[in-house]
Order: sequence, then C-alpha cells, then structure tokens
Amino acid sequence: SAVISQKPSRDICQRGTSLTIQCQVDSQVTMMFWYRQQPGQSLTLIATANQGSEATYESGFVIDKFPISRPNLTFSTLTVSNMSPEDSSIYLCSVGDLGRDRNGYTFGSGTRLTVV
Amino acid sequence: DQQVKQNSPSLSVQEGRISILNCDYTNSMFDYFLWYKKYPAEGPTFLISISSIKDKNEDGRFTVFLNKSAKHLSLHIVPSQPGDSAVYFCAASSRGGYQKVTFGTGTKLQVIP
Repeated sequence: SAVISQKPSRDICQRGTSLTIQCQVDSQVTMMFWYRQQPGQSLTLIATANQGSEATYESGFVIDKFPISRPNLTFSTLTVSNMSPEDSSIYLCSVGDLGRDRNGYTFGSGTRLTVV
Repeated sequence: DQQVKQNSPSLSVQEGRISILNCDYTNSMFDYFLWYKKYPAEGPTFLISISSIKDKNEDGRFTVFLNKSAKHLSLHIVPSQPGDSAVYFCAASSRGGYQKVTFGTGTKLQVIP
C-alpha cells in the first residue's frame, strides 16, 4: 500500500491565522481525502481532493474555511483558515481506492493542531 | 446523525483471552466494512475488512463477523496481546459511486498482561 508523508506533525497556532498541511504520497493515487478528528470524537471526512478540479466538500465544511489543493496525483494540501480554538483537532490525509485496494484506505500520521 | 456506532468507548481484557469489539450501523446502503487500529500520535492502520456478501472474514488472530439483518458487526481478537492495546475504529462504505468511508467513534482496548 501507499506510504504517506504528512507535514507538519504538530503545530500550535494563534487564532486568526492559517495553517497549511501537506500530504505527499510515494505513488500516484486516484483518491485523496482529508479527515478531522476532534478530541474524543470519530474521524470526520472534510473533503475529497480531486486532481485538476475543485475539492468535493462534505456537509458542514466549506472551501473558504478549508481550501484544498491537489496539483497532481501524489500531493495535496489542506489549509485551515482564520483559525479559532474550535479548530484544534488532528487532521489526517488518506489515500486509496476501495474498488481496487482490498486493504482499504491508508492514512498519514496526522497533524495535531492546537489553536490558542 | 451517527451512522456507525461503537457503544463501548473502552474495553479491558486479560492477555490471552478474547477481545470482542462491537459496531452497529444504520445505513442500509453500506456494503463494505472495515476495522482500523490507531495508536497515539499515529494515523489509523487498516486491520481487516468484510464485504456484505460474506458473514465472516478471518486473518490470523483477527476475525470480523457481519450480521446484516441486525446491522451489526464485531471484531474478535484471539488471543489478545498487550500490543493490541489501541483505539479500534469501525468504518463502513458504499462501494458503488463515491466510496466515502464513515467512521465510528472508536473503542479503546486495553490488554492487561
């Protein structure tokens, strides 16, 4: 399965600022996803990063708050904009294709974000 | 609306015994189910999956059982080992079309030596 490098692994940010998280994959992948795990909560899908087009956002998430780029089949970024303490979470990149990959989706190690 | 539910937030089991983690789902469109294991400061790691055309899938010490009529699945770990101590997430997907994966809230398993 694919190997994912996610950066940064953690950060502490001031409210009102923005943070961009990078996800680099060691092979070309069709599907790339961004998840959020708030403290004590499940993993919630933010959006699907589409190569060459705008990301597809889940209910409750908007492009202005979480802009996503996917310039090619091995790389994506998620920006958390105008941060507030409520954005403190673990953000995870995931790749895979359930149609072809019987091993499910692979996850990066996550970015632990604390907003103060 | 929590479509995938893990009602037990934590579970403690003695080493060598069986661990049983449970999961319920509400969406009848789900036809593919996965279990992930997560250690602190790491991303979730895929453990085992099952398609809705099966009722059991086994991989070494790990077995997943699916009861479609009850919309229930369970993960059995036999024998449990201290290294199994982690948070286990149940997840589900509809394989047609979008392939979005929905996760449960997780069960923290502690295997006591």
